[in-house]
Amino acid sequence: AQSVTQPDIHITVSEGASLELRCNYSYGATPYLFWYVQSPGQGLQLLLKYFSGDTLVQGIKGFEAEFKRSQSSFNLRKPSVHWSDAAEYFCAVAPGGGSQGNLIFGKGTKLSVKP
Amino acid sequence: DTGVSQDPRHKITKRGQNVTFRCDPISEHNRLYWYRQTLGQGPEFLTYFQNEAQLEKSRLLSDRFSAERPKGSFSTLEIQRTEQGDSAMYLCASSLFLPDTQYFGPGTRLTVL
Repeated sequence: AQSVTQPDIHITVSEGASLELRCNYSYGATPYLFWYVQSPGQGLQLLLKYFSGDTLVQGIKGFEAEFKRSQSSFNLRKPSVHWSDAAEYFCAVAPGGGSQGNLIFGKGTKLSVKP
Repeated sequence: DTGVSQDPRHKITKRGQNVTFRCDPISEHNRLYWYRQTLGQGPEFLTYFQNEAQLEKSRLLSDRFSAERPKGSFSTLEIQRTEQGDSAMYLCASSLFLPDTQYFGPGTRLTVL
């Protein structure tokens, strides 16, 4: 069955430091991959997505992610974290090439930012 | 583009009562999705519509859950005979194509006492 694993439940970084959030997926074919961010009590906002093409994807708010087929990974990165980046981050995959309609989400990584 | 809206934002109910939530998708989007999110978990897919047709409903959690999209615009999610385990955030999303980005609403937080 398809699944998404985010190994880190909670990460704390200092403001200005770099960030990498890990995501591994289990899916046979080329997946459609997404990163969403959720602030407390809010819905999810799309940061970036990968459907095909260049494996390094740029998103909003200075985030980027790299698709590595050999490692079944889609890690999210940011070179310099701002206090406003504190939130929960979810990686998701669209199974069946997206034809099934649903997204499968990981359990999320909560990011705290130290001043 | 006013985004996906959901109403109410919060609902507190007593066990055994029925509740209904509404979702208004982005106006030109013909696909609409419902998810449930419990504390410490990612969203869990429930059902989805293409226009007024419900194309996937096997993931609805029990027969107490039902969803409609009668005119292919807004949708409602109903939970009958609520249980404390139904307490969660219910999220709605919409998209234009398949596959495509799903845009999420702010969610309805349900608390069952």
